[in-house]
Amino acid sequence: AQSVTQLGSHVSVSEGALVLLRCNYSSSVPPYLFWYVQYPNQGLQLLLKYTSAATLVKGINGFEAEFKKSETSFHLTKPSAHMSDAAEYFCAVINTNAGKSTFGDGTTLTVKP
Amino acid sequence: DAGVIQSPRHEVTEMGQEVTLRCKPISGHDYLFWYRQTMMRGLELLIYFNNNVPIDDSGMPEDRFSAKMPNASFSTLKIQPSEPRDSAVYFCASSLRTGTGELFFGEGSRLTVL
Repeated sequence: AQSVTQLGSHVSVSEGALVLLRCNYSSSVPPYLFWYVQYPNQGLQLLLKYTSAATLVKGINGFEAEFKKSETSFHLTKPSAHMSDAAEYFCAVINTNAGKSTFGDGTTLTVKP
Repeated sequence: DAGVIQSPRHEVTEMGQEVTLRCKPISGHDYLFWYRQTMMRGLELLIYFNNNVPIDDSGMPEDRFSAKMPNASFSTLKIQPSEPRDSAVYFCASSLRTGTGELFFGEGSRLTVL
């Protein structure tokens, strides 16, 4: 079985501050992990993915995430928040044998001016 | 390139009516997924297809829900009869392959059942 836990349903930061969104996973096999972003009234789109290559993964819009097996974590970071980063962020793990993804509950990021 | 196309974008109907949601996946993608998103339950996988064949429908809530994929470029999700608790945003997503393949989502169909 696999699961994803996102710590904190709401995160608020000031513009220019560090963004840290937390994700912990549970998987019986080496995981493939993803971060998706959802803007209001839109579908989810991929930010970045980890597929057993480099543990530090860079994505779009300046986001990056680090896979830490010892901590079963895949936290998403961005050094400096921008107003346009306000959105909901989802962490997901995929079961490569079964072919389906399991999503976390999502974290809503608010960026204050 | 066109992304995943869903229709209708918004649907308002009355309890007991039949609802059909439609999805056109990205050409060449082998997998198609139907998700439901609500505030209470988050993002739930309802069913997914591989090469037009349903692989896992364990997320379909009850017999009122059915999904078909008659060909590689079209899928439907049907609710009959609809109930107020079915109100949600329904997303279709496609993927070139599973495993390392990312999901490409449509913009969703917002369903309101009165």
